[in-house]
Amino acid sequence: DAGVTQSPTHLIKTRGQHVTLRCSPISGHKSVSWYQQVLGQGPQFIFQYYEKEERGRGNFPDRFSARQFPNYSSELNVNALLLGDSALYLCASSYLAGVYNEQFFGPGTRLTVL
Amino acid sequence: GENVEQHPSTLSVQEGDSAVIKCTYSDSASNYFPWYKQELGKGPQLIIDIRSNVGEKKDQRIAVTLNKTAKHFSLHITETQPEDSAVYFCAARSLGTSYDKVIFGPGTSLSVIP
Repeated sequence: DAGVTQSPTHLIKTRGQHVTLRCSPISGHKSVSWYQQVLGQGPQFIFQYYEKEERGRGNFPDRFSARQFPNYSSELNVNALLLGDSALYLCASSYLAGVYNEQFFGPGTRLTVL
Repeated sequence: GENVEQHPSTLSVQEGDSAVIKCTYSDSASNYFPWYKQELGKGPQLIIDIRSNVGEKKDQRIAVTLNKTAKHFSLHITETQPEDSAVYFCAARSLGTSYDKVIFGPGTSLSVIP
């Protein structure tokens, strides 16, 4: 069975540009969460979507937005990129939200902002 | 605010020795404590978890302990093997909210020397 997949693997952008990252959850999983992992740190929660609705948001500016599609895949959008947005962006999927169930992480998208 | 501290940041052990990683959390509402292993180029993978109504849990060579009063929890790996080398993250979460916001520690880089 395929795990969580993310695209692209790597991405290089310049300051001020916009970026879209994509995530496909494990088949049957209805929840997708996004995390930002700066080099040398633990992942930080950005968003969770469940059944196409935003369930939770971390302490990130409005430049960050996301959505979930009817097939439960998800996009993370970041506008007006800053150098500090350079990080590994992780997507995690789970069957449900808000209850005890394992989150499965994808390999991430490495974003570099120059 | 919500915070998880983790020590040590780096740990080097001889193959066959034990490794211990310690974490503290600040949010009294936290009641679920997963541990993740992240290998190079991969996303975090859940290796063991513990809920607040349990003081200790063991799975083969891995054990976790929780002291809810002191807000401390620890990961113990016995009979370490070279393939245990990775970055380990402790995390805390409050089950019962509508979403799965996981607060990660900063990570421990474990090296097992053959």
